[in-house]
Amino acid sequence: EPEVTQTPSHQVTQMGQEVILRCVPISNHLYFYWYRQILGQKVEFLVSFYNNEISEKSEIFDDQFSVERPDGSNFTLKIRSTKLEDSAMYFCASRDGRDTGELFFGEGSRLTVL
Amino acid sequence: QKEVEQDPGPLSVPEGAIVSLNCTYSNSAFQYFMWYRQYSRKGPELLMYTYSSGNKEDGRFTAQVDKSSKYISLFIRDSQPSDSATYLCAMIVNQAGTALIFGKGTTLSVSS
Repeated sequence: EPEVTQTPSHQVTQMGQEVILRCVPISNHLYFYWYRQILGQKVEFLVSFYNNEISEKSEIFDDQFSVERPDGSNFTLKIRSTKLEDSAMYFCASRDGRDTGELFFGEGSRLTVL
Repeated sequence: QKEVEQDPGPLSVPEGAIVSLNCTYSNSAFQYFMWYRQYSRKGPELLMYTYSSGNKEDGRFTAQVDKSSKYISLFIRDSQPSDSATYLCAMIVNQAGTALIFGKGTTLSVSS
């Protein structure tokens, strides 16, 4: 069964460092998303990406965040200068082209900022 | 008022019980409603997907949507210890690329 894969599963970084989280969406999917979940809190939308550009972003997704689809298979989330409050699980998700398409999530990347 | 409200629980039931999980929402533009199950430190996994008012059944799970009341429910019959997880309601308007909005999740524990 096709699945969304994410790497790394866990990353520990120092405050102020840059972090790149990687995702390989399901191959025929067209819409890609990053969500985050701070421990004990709800899953929050960060950004959606379609046709090689951001289609929507939340207020959380400020200038320190960026996304890229560098090679047609990977979808990355970069955090330029990490802060303590960026510690969270980051989930990548993808869906196909239907408006009612189901969202499939990866297992998540746990980011710990020290 | 928060866009999607969900009682976080925790909810503890004995094996075999019927479980009822609920969410309310404020945005009448939401057209599609989902229930996800999330095990500890894992990604959300889609359980049920509905887009019209009424009931949808899949095995032991029934999703119910009442758009006039802005209220959705998930019923689990004959609950099993393996159903112990956090259940997230989620909803979306009918627009390509639009973000899925989640409830906070209800933590369910089924004891054997």
